[in-house]
Amino acid sequence: SAVISQKPSRDICQRGTSLTIQCQVDSQVTMMFWYRQQPGQSLTLIATANQGSEATYESGFVIDKFPISRPNLTFSTLTVSNMSPEDSSIYLCSVDQVMETQYFGPGTRLLVL
Amino acid sequence: AQTVTQSQPEMSVQEAETVTLSCTYDTSESDYYLFWYKQPPSRQMILVIRQEAYKQQNATENRFSVNFQKAAKSFSLKISDSQLGDAAMYFCAYRSAGYTGANSKLTFGKGITLSVRP
Repeated sequence: SAVISQKPSRDICQRGTSLTIQCQVDSQVTMMFWYRQQPGQSLTLIATANQGSEATYESGFVIDKFPISRPNLTFSTLTVSNMSPEDSSIYLCSVDQVMETQYFGPGTRLLVL
Repeated sequence: AQTVTQSQPEMSVQEAETVTLSCTYDTSESDYYLFWYKQPPSRQMILVIRQEAYKQQNATENRFSVNFQKAAKSFSLKISDSQLGDAAMYFCAYRSAGYTGANSKLTFGKGITLSVRP
């Protein structure tokens, strides 16, 4: 499986600010996914990022709040904008690999004060 | 839309014993994939096992095996010879087959916390 890294691994931010999370893969992948895991909850898909096109957002998530970039086949960023304490979550990126199996990065733990 | 249900929030097992984690799902599709992921305290999501719906044979990976009942829409995970390192949150997940893009997303259950007693 691909090796996936995320930066930062964790951060503490003030409300009203923005944070950009990076996801780097050691091989070229077509689809990258961004999930959110709120405290004590399951994972929810934020958006799907395909290189060279706009990200596709799930219901309840909007581009102004969670802008995503996908400049090439190994990299993506997710920005959490104008943060509030409700944005405190773990944010995970994942990629599609063989046999339609997704593998995950280590996650970014975000706390908003 | 597909749903995944894990009705047991917590389970406990004695080290070296066997435990079964339950998962049911609802779908109108005939071709799909089911997964179990493990999330230890480090929060890394780790793939445990994968099942293709068109395969009747249950998947097995070392101490981990599944009982896949397609008609009943049931997908349970059996962990044999439990080890302390198995303590984690376990998520059952569903994925439609043959799609790309947003339709290839994973739908997760709420997860179950497994503790292992020494």
